[in-house]
Formats: sequence, C-alpha cells, structure tokens
Amino acid sequence: QKEVEQNSGPLSVPEGAIASLNCTYSDRGSQSFFWYRQYSGKSPELIMSIYSNGDKEDGRFTAQLNKASQYVSLLIRDSQPSDSATYLCAVNQAGTALIFGKGTTLSVSS
Amino acid sequence: DADVTQTPRNRITKTGKRIMLECSQTKGHDRMYWYRQDPGLGLQLIYYSFDVKDINKGEISDGYSVSRQAQAKFSLSLESAIPNQTALYFCATSQADTQYFGPGTRLTVL
Repeated sequence: QKEVEQNSGPLSVPEGAIASLNCTYSDRGSQSFFWYRQYSGKSPELIMSIYSNGDKEDGRFTAQLNKASQYVSLLIRDSQPSDSATYLCAVNQAGTALIFGKGTTLSVSS
Repeated sequence: DADVTQTPRNRITKTGKRIMLECSQTKGHDRMYWYRQDPGLGLQLIYYSFDVKDINKGEISDGYSVSRQAQAKFSLSLESAIPNQTALYFCATSQADTQYFGPGTRLTVL
C-alpha cells in the first residue's frame, strides 16, 4: 500500500515567519511530487510541483525533495494570514494517479 | 467559464437511492479522476480513467461505479447510497501528472 504521511497540525506561525511543512512517502519508485493548498470547503489548488532532488523556488514558496530519504517539504517565507489553509502533499509513480497525504493545517496569526 | 465543472454542487438524498455525479472539462485533458474527501482523511481515490476506453479502480471503489462518456465527461454513480458515503466529492483532470480539480459536490445521504 503506497502511503504519503503528513503531520496533521495545526501548525501555527506568526505573520512574517517561515512555515515549514513536511511529507514522507513510502514508494521509492515515486517520480513526481506536488503541493496543493486547500481552503475550507474549496477544491485543492496546485502550488508547486517538483521532480528532481534539491530545491525549487516560486515566489514565497520553496519545495525541497530528497528521494534518498523519501522526503518532500514546502517552505513558505513571509507567511501571511491568507496562507492559512490545509496543505496537501501528493506523490505519483508513472502510470498511476496521485496519492495524497491527509494534509497539514497551517494557521498564520496577524 | 470554469475549466472543470461538477454537477450538482450540493445534493441531499436518502439511503438506497441511486445518485449520479457528473464532471465535465474543457481543458482537453485525457485523464480524469474521482476522489472523495472526508474531514481529517484527505483525498481518497475512487476511480480514474486515462482515456475513454480505460477505467481503473482506486483505493475505495466499492459501492461506486463510473462511466467515461467522452473525453470531456466522467460520471460517478452510487448505485444504492448509504450514509457513510456522505462526503465532499472532487473530480480532477490531467494531461500528465499535474491534476486540476473541479469545485466539488457536497453529497449528504440521510
């Protein structure tokens, strides 16, 4: 059974701080990795994808991938109250659908 | 217009009724997916389809069936609804790995 694990949170950070969200996965054959943001009652929206080991930056967001450790993380710099949401990690092996973690709830206080 | 639409957006039904949820997309993607989301459980894959002639079961397909009527349409049916199928249902599409979600259908089975 392929698994994607995330701490459920809530992760609470003050406005302007760095939020660090973590995800581990069980299938070593996984090839693509995604972070989605989901506001309560809304659909998930893609934040970032990452395919190679290392860091990938997009604005205030940085995704980090370490395939040897089977670990993916998302850093949010200069966190804003509008970043308060549930963040879903998703992992894919070629030829199958995404497997999602249960999500980490982030709360940014002003 | 939204790229991925789901109908209905909300539905209340009774135990034993047959229910169909519909998903349409204008993104031109070949791949379509159905997920359900329960509070605290993340997104669970019900069925997925990589093209019109391809249908695959996900991790929780029991009690559900699907029909891929065309590249742009993918329907989910509950043959005889039961209360534990009360959930938020999402359709998603992709051309490769990256999935894009519809707005969701909130289904309540009494």
